[in-house]
Amino acid sequence: NAGVTQTPKFQVLKTGQSMTLQCAQDMNHEYMSWYRQDPGMGLRLIHYSVGAGITDQGEVPNGYNVSRSTTEDFPLRLLSAAPSQTSVYFCASSSNSDSQPQHFGDGTRLSIL
Amino acid sequence: DAKTTQPPSMDCAEGRAANLPCNHSTISGNEYVYWYRQIHSQGPQYIIHGLKNNETNEMASLIITEDRKSSTLILPHATLRDTAVYYCIVRVGGTGFQKLVFGTGTRLLVSP
Repeated sequence: NAGVTQTPKFQVLKTGQSMTLQCAQDMNHEYMSWYRQDPGMGLRLIHYSVGAGITDQGEVPNGYNVSRSTTEDFPLRLLSAAPSQTSVYFCASSSNSDSQPQHFGDGTRLSIL
Repeated sequence: DAKTTQPPSMDCAEGRAANLPCNHSTISGNEYVYWYRQIHSQGPQYIIHGLKNNETNEMASLIITEDRKSSTLILPHATLRDTAVYYCIVRVGGTGFQKLVFGTGTRLLVSP
């Protein structure tokens, strides 16, 4: 099983550039989410989705856009990259059944110069 | 969500059981205990979760005290590959989406 797949694994951008981080899951999960992890810190929620066509903001949404056109995919867009967005980004998915755990991808390591 | 307290680090010899404690004294009746681990900056890996009963799967066992104020994750035969940061997370059950709040966790070092 592929689970949650994130691409690319590494990316270097210049300030002001835009890009899309891809996330796909093959478990037919309704819920998907994006977190970022800065060095020595825990994960912080950026955006999440409870189903196709439905998204909402997490605790650190500024500078990021998301959309959910299919159940499988949940891309994260950086509109105009800033050095403060240098981080490791994790995508997660979970079933909407009672108390089901979130499953994470291996992350995208993003550096903004 | 209830706050959790874990020791910052623990050591374990390869082949021995690793017992990782977690205190969650303010846990509510509808809150579950979840355990994740993160190996060398990989994505967090789900291990196990429970509400009040002890749970066991192919990876680990979860022992929750009767008053639910603390729990212990048990890796029965630790290997070098179990070296990771282990996170104990408490969150409400149910079907709605809820973010996970990761604390600082316990850094487990398994040595030969």
